[in-house]
Amino acid sequence: ETGVTQSPTHLIKTRGQQVTLRCSSQSGHNTVSWYQQALGQGPQFIFQYYREEENGRGNFPPRFSGLQFPNYSSELNVNALELDDSALYLCASSFGLNTEAFFGQGTRLTVV
Amino acid sequence: GESVGLHLPTLSVQEGDNSIINCAYSNSASDYFIWYKQESGKGPQFIIDIRSNMDKRQGQRVTVLLNKTVKHLSLQIAATQPGDSAVYFCAENKAGNYGQNFVFGPGTRLSVLP
Repeated sequence: ETGVTQSPTHLIKTRGQQVTLRCSSQSGHNTVSWYQQALGQGPQFIFQYYREEENGRGNFPPRFSGLQFPNYSSELNVNALELDDSALYLCASSFGLNTEAFFGQGTRLTVV
Repeated sequence: GESVGLHLPTLSVQEGDNSIINCAYSNSASDYFIWYKQESGKGPQFIIDIRSNMDKRQGQRVTVLLNKTVKHLSLQIAATQPGDSAVYFCAENKAGNYGQNFVFGPGTRLSVLP
């Protein structure tokens, strides 16, 4: 186990709704990154938070947003859900910016 | 665009044999690479990493080789066991020391035959 926990594990939402996913980073880690993994593909980088500020973003629209809290836990928010947002959302934590990243078990989001 | 890819989508090996999983990357500026193992229904599990100032790094039963000249990365698993069956991803960090933006390839599925 990595010590990175995500909630919920599964979620079903309707197109157009909003969703919030949560991540608790491994103890001592100050950096959290979020990834989207579509079925049968590798994870794709959404964004990263370092010491409560966004520090890098992948090719995702603004309706994907996030937060990092003083205890370094994090949230991923997705507005105006689309069917293509159905995927496994992964959170990874690390200590620092260019070091080994440890993943949680993911949240399986299904948009219907 | 720049991406990390894998030469083989599937690999089947006999239990006890050595496995070699290959990966090609195209961003010559990437300086940090990680191999992950992902089992069904789970998040990627860190296996081993290597920085661009190294050519080889060994862990427990695993070795990663980096050839910067041809932009090639490989993962060698010694004495492959049934528990090694999973999808393996290589990932390169495009952001370097300024952040983390790991680019993953599509993965190689390793099947261990009895």
